[in-house]
Amino acid sequence: DQQVKQNSPSLSVQEGRISILNCDYTNSMFDYFLWYKKYPAEGPTFLISISSIKDKNEDGRFTVFLNKSAKHLSLHIVPSQPGDSAVYFCAARNSGSGGSNYKLTFGKGTLLTVNP
Amino acid sequence: DGGITQSPKYLFRKEGQNVTLSCEQNLNHDAMYWYRQDPGQGLRLIYYSQIVNDFQKGDIAEGYSVSREKKESFPLTVTSAQKNPTAFYLCASRWGEKLFFGSGTQLSVL
Repeated sequence: DQQVKQNSPSLSVQEGRISILNCDYTNSMFDYFLWYKKYPAEGPTFLISISSIKDKNEDGRFTVFLNKSAKHLSLHIVPSQPGDSAVYFCAARNSGSGGSNYKLTFGKGTLLTVNP
Repeated sequence: DGGITQSPKYLFRKEGQNVTLSCEQNLNHDAMYWYRQDPGQGLRLIYYSQIVNDFQKGDIAEGYSVSREKKESFPLTVTSAQKNPTAFYLCASRWGEKLFFGSGTQLSVL
């Protein structure tokens, strides 16, 4: 049963426009969410995160929005640049997994292509 | 340079063979993780370790084994019991809420 869902396998946008990547989750025990960016044949790199006590977190061109009632979060990239082209993974932490049992559950990823 | 080093970058396994993937970190992180990525799939947790000499099974531990004898090292063995080992394997360590990943090992079956 997939607890973190990224329903769009791919997204294509024009350079300079906004990219919006979506993520839905089913487990109400998730309390911390992260976005990772991944290039082919490389490891994912951390991008931005948000705690469940917030509804927005911003870092430069990247903003993550969290709607707890809808169990939905989104990553906005403005403006999009060709170098943003990569796979973006949404990940969630279970609030019961603190300390000795900390682990993240990942979605399947969305391939973002930013066209010049 | 601080970071996580995975080796080799590419690895081939013959039928019935066990292979070991190396993961070393010099970040002084206590917790380490192994994930597996298949094409079009997310990252699935194989094993994780919060401290030396302790580790727990993740969601897909069958056919894999690990050890954590040193803080810096968390090797993963893909045993012959793993019937579909072809995948991209990622090792990570944790600091606070974030995982930091190595560059991965692509394992293929000959």
